[in-house]
Amino acid sequence: NAGVTQTPKFQVLKTGQSMTLQCAQDMNHNSMYWYRQDPGMGLRLIYYSASEGTTDKGEVPNGYNVSRLNKREFSLRLESAAPSQTSVYFCASSDHAGSSTDTQYFGPGTRLTVL
Amino acid sequence: QKEVEQNSGPLSVPEGAIASLNCTYSDRVSQSFFWYRQYSGKSPELIMSIYSNGDKEDGRFTAQLNKASQYVSLLIRDSQPSDSATYLCAVNSDSNTGNQFYFGTGTSLTVIP
Repeated sequence: NAGVTQTPKFQVLKTGQSMTLQCAQDMNHNSMYWYRQDPGMGLRLIYYSASEGTTDKGEVPNGYNVSRLNKREFSLRLESAAPSQTSVYFCASSDHAGSSTDTQYFGPGTRLTVL
Repeated sequence: QKEVEQNSGPLSVPEGAIASLNCTYSDRVSQSFFWYRQYSGKSPELIMSIYSNGDKEDGRFTAQLNKASQYVSLLIRDSQPSDSATYLCAVNSDSNTGNQFYFGTGTSLTVIP
């Protein structure tokens, strides 16, 4: 049981390049999330998927797109990377959307630098 | 915007002392509250969750919730150097599109041997 996995662990891009961050969970969770974490800013929600087939914007969606490929996988795409997107990206999943006892579990993170 | 506020610290305590971490939140309908520990360069790890007013104890950790004051705290008894990390407070609020989690910026704790 690997929990939440993310690839790649590290990535360096040039401004304008595109890339996709991959996330998968093996806990049969309904909901999945993408966050970015910047110094002094805490975790900020980019997009989330309450259930397979649905996605919604979070606090900072601009410049990103997501795909909930199936129940296990939730990808985050940067179409044209900008230096402002340099950050650590965390994927998370939670066991039951809509429950007041819902709890999130995090992947190991992707450290992205945009030059 | 639902806000979660934490004192960024750094908070330093000697080994064996009690560390007290505090968090306030702005949304009165928040239902679930969490404390995560994050070591430098690592991902957040769930320590405690609390849903009802009062105290919840798990080993050396005690979470305290006061919904009337919109306040949640974490006490770490017998602090150890391995407790040195950033502690994130999170709240969970239902919305018509599902749950959303809101995180504070974290409190940095250093336990001095």
